[in-house]
Amino acid sequence: EVQLVESGGGLVQPGRSLRLSCAASGFTFDDYAMHWVRQAPGKGLEWVSGISWNSGSIGYADSVKGRFTISRDNAKNSLYLQMNSLRAEDTALYYCAKGVVALVTRPDFDYWGQGTLVTVSS
Amino acid sequence: QSALTQPASVSGSPGQSITISCTGTSSDVGSYNLVSWYQQHPGKAPKLMIYEVSKRPSGVSNRFSGSKSGNTASLTISGLQAEDEADYYCCSYAGSSSHVVFGGGTKLTVL
Repeated sequence: EVQLVESGGGLVQPGRSLRLSCAASGFTFDDYAMHWVRQAPGKGLEWVSGISWNSGSIGYADSVKGRFTISRDNAKNSLYLQMNSLRAEDTALYYCAKGVVALVTRPDFDYWGQGTLVTVSS
Repeated sequence: QSALTQPASVSGSPGQSITISCTGTSSDVGSYNLVSWYQQHPGKAPKLMIYEVSKRPSGVSNRFSGSKSGNTASLTISGLQAEDEADYYCCSYAGSSSHVVFGGGTKLTVL
C-alpha cells in the first residue's frame, strides 16, 4: 500500500524558515517524480514544486522561486521542502504527491499524503 | 503562472449529466495533451480522476470522462450520484518554465 506521510509543519513567524519532510513507502521511490502541492485555508490547490526521480530536473512555482528548495533522498525514501523567508501568504496545508512518471513534466499525481499545516504569523 | 479558469460552481440532479470547463491558454492546455482532473471531498486529499485529457485511472468510474478542444478542457460526469458532490480541479502541464498549473476549482452540488 502506497503511503505518504508529511511532517514538519507548524506555526512560524514571517521571515523565518521551516523544513517539511515526506516519508514514502509502498512503492519504488526512485522510479517516480515527487511534488509538493499546497492549499490555503478555504482556497484551491496550488502546485509548489516538483523533482524528477534523480533530482536532475526541478521546478518551482513563481510564488516560491528563490525562497523554497525541494530535494529528495532516494536512500531514505524521503522528500523535503526547505522553506525560507516565509510570508503570511505561504500559510497552507502542504501535500506531498507522487507523480505517475519519473519526470516532472506531467500534472498527474496518483497518490497524496494527508498534508502538514504551515501557519505563518507573528 | 496564471491559474486555469473554472466556473466557481455547478449543480445537477441525481441521474443527470454535468460538464465542468477549464480554460487555459496556448501555453498550457492548448499546447499539451496533459490535462488532469482531481476530485476533493471536504477534509480529504485530492483524488486523480482523469489524466492525459481523457484517460481514467484504474478504479475510477466510467461515469467520469474528459475531453479537450483548443485551450479548453472539460470534465463530464454522467449519471450524477450524491457521492459525486465535491470540489473538482483541473490541472495542466505548462512547459518547462511554469511546469504545472491548477484551475481555481469548481464546487459540484448534487441537488
